[in-house]
Amino acid sequence: QVQLVQSGAEVKKPGASVKVSCKASGFTFGIYTISWVRQAPGQGPEWMGWISAETGKTRNAQKLQGRVSMTTDTSTSTAYLELRSLRSDDTAVYYCARDRVAGGTTGDFDYWGQGTLVTVSS
Amino acid sequence: EIVLTQSPATLSLSPGESATLSCRASQSVSSYLAWYQQRPGQAPRLLIYDASKRATGTPPRFSGSGSGTDFTLTISSLEPEDFAVYYCQQRSDWPRTFGPGTKVDVK
Repeated sequence: QVQLVQSGAEVKKPGASVKVSCKASGFTFGIYTISWVRQAPGQGPEWMGWISAETGKTRNAQKLQGRVSMTTDTSTSTAYLELRSLRSDDTAVYYCARDRVAGGTTGDFDYWGQGTLVTVSS
Repeated sequence: EIVLTQSPATLSLSPGESATLSCRASQSVSSYLAWYQQRPGQAPRLLIYDASKRATGTPPRFSGSGSGTDFTLTISSLEPEDFAVYYCQQRSDWPRTFGPGTKVDVK
């Protein structure tokens, strides 16, 4: 069955960086686009960006430009999100999510990881 | 960016009743709107995409309608597991955006 398993919770100080992993199984990782979505406490989800596992092409939300990097390792079917220069308002649960259509960037997400809580606090 | 607003913020209903949730977009998103369900402590789950198409595994009591700027999610007869938060999300333009959610709770 399709699974996306994320790394564990992180606590970081303001100004630090965090890297979250998302290991995929149960489908052909290399032909899908993976998005990263975060959700601050009590808020709706916020799309951060996507990466094509096949080509490595990425697209990020403009508000995160310069602070976010997304990568994949197709040999281990793992996607990574790195967020730099952390601020308190980056405190959120971070999710990876698979695009609904193979080879596409439809922007609908049919499978999600379990989420990784990132807390930014001094 | 396209802003999605959802109403009501909270809907208090009893099991067996029907629920009608609304989502309005700040500009036309054609039919490129999805609905997700989120239970406490869980990731969102895709229910409906392209305004009215049920995702794999979505029960038939869930239906979506609308186009342009106004959309509706209807749950025909609430089951205990349907009490959750529901989000709409557009894929018409970048960045993809979500609404603030409607919480369906037990009356």
